[in-house]
Amino acid sequence: DQQVKQNSPSLSVQEGRISILNCDYTNSMFDYFLWYKKYPAEGPTFLISISSIKDKNEDGRFTVFLNKSAKHLSLHIVPSQPGDSAVYFCAAAITGSARQLTFGSGTQLTVLP
Amino acid sequence: GAVVSQHPSRVICKSGTSVKIECRSLDFQATTMFWYRQFPKQSLMLMATSNEGSKATYEQGVEKDKFLINHASLTLSTLTVTSAHPEDSSFYICSARVVAGGGSGGEETQYFGPGTRLLVL
Repeated sequence: DQQVKQNSPSLSVQEGRISILNCDYTNSMFDYFLWYKKYPAEGPTFLISISSIKDKNEDGRFTVFLNKSAKHLSLHIVPSQPGDSAVYFCAAAITGSARQLTFGSGTQLTVLP
Repeated sequence: GAVVSQHPSRVICKSGTSVKIECRSLDFQATTMFWYRQFPKQSLMLMATSNEGSKATYEQGVEKDKFLINHASLTLSTLTVTSAHPEDSSFYICSARVVAGGGSGGEETQYFGPGTRLLVL
């Protein structure tokens, strides 16, 4: 039972355009969400997070949007750069627990020059 | 961000041997660390939660006698794969839990190590 789903295994975007990565979750107890970027044979790198009390969080070129009613979050990267090409994982956690993260299956983003 | 290191980055061993992987938080103290494994083209799967000074909490289906976890200090957790077999070959990644501002009210993030590639022949 996948509690965090990333339905698009891959996404290709032209350099300079916007990349939109989507993530859906089923567990309404999740109240903290994170996005990680991962290159092959490396550990994930934290990008940005959002708690359920917010619907938007922005950090430079990265913006995360949270729609609690739809149990959906998205990561926007603008403008996209070739160096952004990587696998992006969304993750969810429940406050007050050991903050174990439940990961989605990842989306491979390719930014074309 | 916080830096987490793992050692070794890559290990090849014979079937039946034990392998120890170290996870260190370099510039902060981590009372909680997590161990994950990742198979090719799959997501990260949580294996266990490592708490400093107490026993690790294992996820369902993870053999605690096979994957020994020790969190002896606030900056070091170790994962020992005992009597490794080829099916244990995988990419093992640790993470450390960081709370902004300390205490239970701050925002938390997990920072990951670079991973350890284990190949059991």
